[in-house]
Amino acid sequence: EVQLLESGGGLVQPGGSLRLSCEASGFLFSSFDMSWVRQAPGKGLEWVSGVSATGRSTYYADSVKGRFTTSRDNSKKTFTVQMDSLRADDTAFYYCAKEGRAAPNSFDYWGQGILVTVSS
Amino acid sequence: DIQVTQSPSSLSASVGDRVTITCRASQSIRNYLAWYQQKPGKAPKLLIYAASSLQSGVPSRFSGSGSGTDFSLTISSLQPEDYATYYCQQTYSKPCSFGQGTKVEIK
Repeated sequence: EVQLLESGGGLVQPGGSLRLSCEASGFLFSSFDMSWVRQAPGKGLEWVSGVSATGRSTYYADSVKGRFTTSRDNSKKTFTVQMDSLRADDTAFYYCAKEGRAAPNSFDYWGQGILVTVSS
Repeated sequence: DIQVTQSPSSLSASVGDRVTITCRASQSIRNYLAWYQQKPGKAPKLLIYAASSLQSGVPSRFSGSGSGTDFSLTISSLQPEDYATYYCQQTYSKPCSFGQGTKVEIK
């Protein structure tokens, strides 16, 4: 059974940093690209960042470019995002998502989501 | 970056109704489009990928169509468990943008 478990969320002050992790199990982690998708409370979905299966390529939304850094450790089956210079509009549920085998950039499995609140 | 515009933003329908949601991309994305269902407090669930391919385990009352810039998701006979918010997503290129969502409510 595929499982994705996010950790590391919480309350942080504007300008602060937070590191989210996603622990994967139940599939060949090193074969799939991974992404972070966020959702502000009561709002729609926003793709945030992604990393290729090997970890050599990373991708970012303009809204987080230069502030977020995504990486993965295939030996530990973990996927992380380091979030720096956080702003109030980064407040959201953050989901770890696995790319589908049949279609790139579509997400067939998602974590349960973890809340990041940026507030003073 | 490719933008996707989804309509309507909400709709009311009765059990058994046929429901159609549309999605338009700002440029041709061939068939690189996915549809998701999200219920309150839950993660999104993939319904359709590659515009018209049904994800494993998804009921056949869900179908997708379209190519290029115009796409649609149809629920042939709305069931009580289908009341949710639906999102389209272009999967042609990163950033892989989502539509604004369509909330399907009980009439």
